[in-house]
Amino acid sequence: GQQVMQIPQYQHVQEGEDFTTYCNSSTTLSNIQWYKQRPGGHPVFLIQLVKSGEVKKQKRLTFQFGEAKKNSSLHITATQTTDVGTYFCAGPSGGYQKVTFGTGTKLQVIP
Amino acid sequence: EAEVAQSPRYKITEKSQAVAFWCDPISGHATLYWYRQILGQGPELLVQFQDESVVDDSQLPKDRFSAERLKGVDSTLKIQPAELGDSAMYLCASRLDRAYSYEQYFGPGTRLTVT
Repeated sequence: GQQVMQIPQYQHVQEGEDFTTYCNSSTTLSNIQWYKQRPGGHPVFLIQLVKSGEVKKQKRLTFQFGEAKKNSSLHITATQTTDVGTYFCAGPSGGYQKVTFGTGTKLQVIP
Repeated sequence: EAEVAQSPRYKITEKSQAVAFWCDPISGHATLYWYRQILGQGPELLVQFQDESVVDDSQLPKDRFSAERLKGVDSTLKIQPAELGDSAMYLCASRLDRAYSYEQYFGPGTRLTVT
């Protein structure tokens, strides 16, 4: 079945440093979504990407969908302590509106 | 802002007991998902409903888990009997059935501990 892997699994950064997480799928995706889960919380939808090579920005967050639609990245510029959490990508995995979540990247920001 | 409701938030139960979780999705959301999330991992889909119909339960351990959404609104997930390995966060999510919109809204989850 489809696998969605994310790297790195963990990342510790100093506040103010940049952060990037990468998402790789074993199959071509029609779309990809990104979610953030704060410690002790539930996943919260951030964005969805649909087009090949698409780039979207949300303030300090930049999301990119690969040209082959098999990978994606999330880049955070000048991290803040509020960015702490686990970031998941998710892509369709067959069936009606079914998605598979990636393995997640846990971000820790050191003040 | 509309939210997905879940109860209880926390549940401690003994092995071999029955346990049930409830979810009320955002009004008008036809698609409802139940996920299980083990600490440090991503959510794993257990069952997906479209209105009152199950559209995917391929990962649901059907010997002990059951789920229903009788009127196509709120939903119940049941485990009987619970096993130690069932300790996890159980998340409910809903989605508006709209073309090209894949956004899922998650509830706060139920943290299950089986002793």
